[in-house]
Amino acid sequence: EVQLVESGGGLVKPGGSLRLSCAASGFTFSNAWMIWVRQAPGKGLEWVGRIKSKADGGTADYAAPVKGRFTISRDDSKNTLYLQMNSLKTEDTAVYYCTRKRTGTLDYWGQGTLVTVSS
Amino acid sequence: QSALTQPRSVSGSPGQSVTISCTGTSSDVGGYNFVSWYQQHPGKAPKLMIYDVSKRPSGVPDRFSGSKSGNTASLTISGLQAEDEADYYCCSYAGSYTYWVFGGGTKLTVL
Repeated sequence: EVQLVESGGGLVKPGGSLRLSCAASGFTFSNAWMIWVRQAPGKGLEWVGRIKSKADGGTADYAAPVKGRFTISRDDSKNTLYLQMNSLKTEDTAVYYCTRKRTGTLDYWGQGTLVTVSS
Repeated sequence: QSALTQPRSVSGSPGQSVTISCTGTSSDVGGYNFVSWYQQHPGKAPKLMIYDVSKRPSGVPDRFSGSKSGNTASLTISGLQAEDEADYYCCSYAGSYTYWVFGGGTKLTVL
């Protein structure tokens, strides 16, 4: 059974940093392209960024609102995906989900972890 | 403002059918057969209901169906049940620069 479990969320002041983790199981993590999606309170879903499998280059791409501030990485030996968030803004407040890409679809989602950016 | 346009709300009585539309452009919905639909109950993670425009993952009832015409995709739920009451989001692949775009979500109320 595919499972994605996020952790690391919490309250942080504007300008601060936070690192989210996503522990994966039930599939070959190293082969998967992984994606972060966020959802601000009461709002819709927003793509944050994507990291390819190492076999496909291992590169990451980001949505415009987070580019230059967020970094996605992966540790295939630990089946874990990371999202390093720096220079956080109040508008980054959201539940952050990790998801797995299968062809053009995000098929499995974690339960999410809440990040609150507030002074 | 979301990249894909969905109605904010739809409603129907048990047993009826409802259709939720999702309008994009030729750069997303119209350009790829990678439209998916997600169901989200309050406080829960999104659940994949339809992928590749019209395919159902294992375990999703066949009451849920998807289609696409031009730049507009649709999700139809037939034989509405109380547990279908949720928010529904459409999503489309949008190429190797924008990647994925979402609709703003539609709240389905089962009367």
